[in-house]
Amino acid sequence: EVQLVESGGTLIQPGGSLRLSCAASDFSVGSNYMSWVRQAPGQGLEWLAIIAPGGYTNYPELMMGRFTISRDNSENTLSLQMNTLAAVDTAIYYCVGMLTVRTFDYWGQGALVTVSS
Amino acid sequence: SYVLTQSPSVSVAPGQTARITCGGNNIGSKSVHWYQQKPGQAPLLVVHDDSARPSGIPERFSGSNSGNTATLTITRVEAGDEADYFCHVWHTSRDSVFGTGTKVTVL
Repeated sequence: EVQLVESGGTLIQPGGSLRLSCAASDFSVGSNYMSWVRQAPGQGLEWLAIIAPGGYTNYPELMMGRFTISRDNSENTLSLQMNTLAAVDTAIYYCVGMLTVRTFDYWGQGALVTVSS
Repeated sequence: SYVLTQSPSVSVAPGQTARITCGGNNIGSKSVHWYQQKPGQAPLLVVHDDSARPSGIPERFSGSNSGNTATLTITRVEAGDEADYFCHVWHTSRDSVFGTGTKVTVL
């Protein structure tokens, strides 16, 4: 059974940086597309980043330069480095495994990031 | 940025059919995916590429897509189908867009 387990969610002050991690089981992070998606409290879903099997990464224009997706194939983990955080970044962050470049097939349980002073 | 519009809510009696629409400019030219999200849980893919069902998703869930509207149809609605439903498309490689979400209430 595929499992994606996020970690690193916490309360952080505005302007700070945070790195989220995602440990995958029964799903190869290096052989599949992987994404991060977030959901602000009571709000909809927002795609943040994608990394391809070949290592290519892409982001929505709004996230470019502030968020960085990466992976460790040997550890089978995915990461999201987030910089210059603001209150609007408060959300549950989901690690997502993709069987194709189009679909978000497997979701972790989410990591809560709260940005507040 | 591409916008997907969904009705905020749909109410349906058990055993009846729920239809959830997702409007977008020429959405019929794109592949639409649908996610179910129950309270406190992560989203679950229920339909992909307009009308295909992942393994384990009941046949009661089906999708269609044409023109400016995509539709997720749930037949023989059950209490367990009560959830938020989000449509989703990749408009460009840098623009992966979710709909605003529809809350399905089973009466």
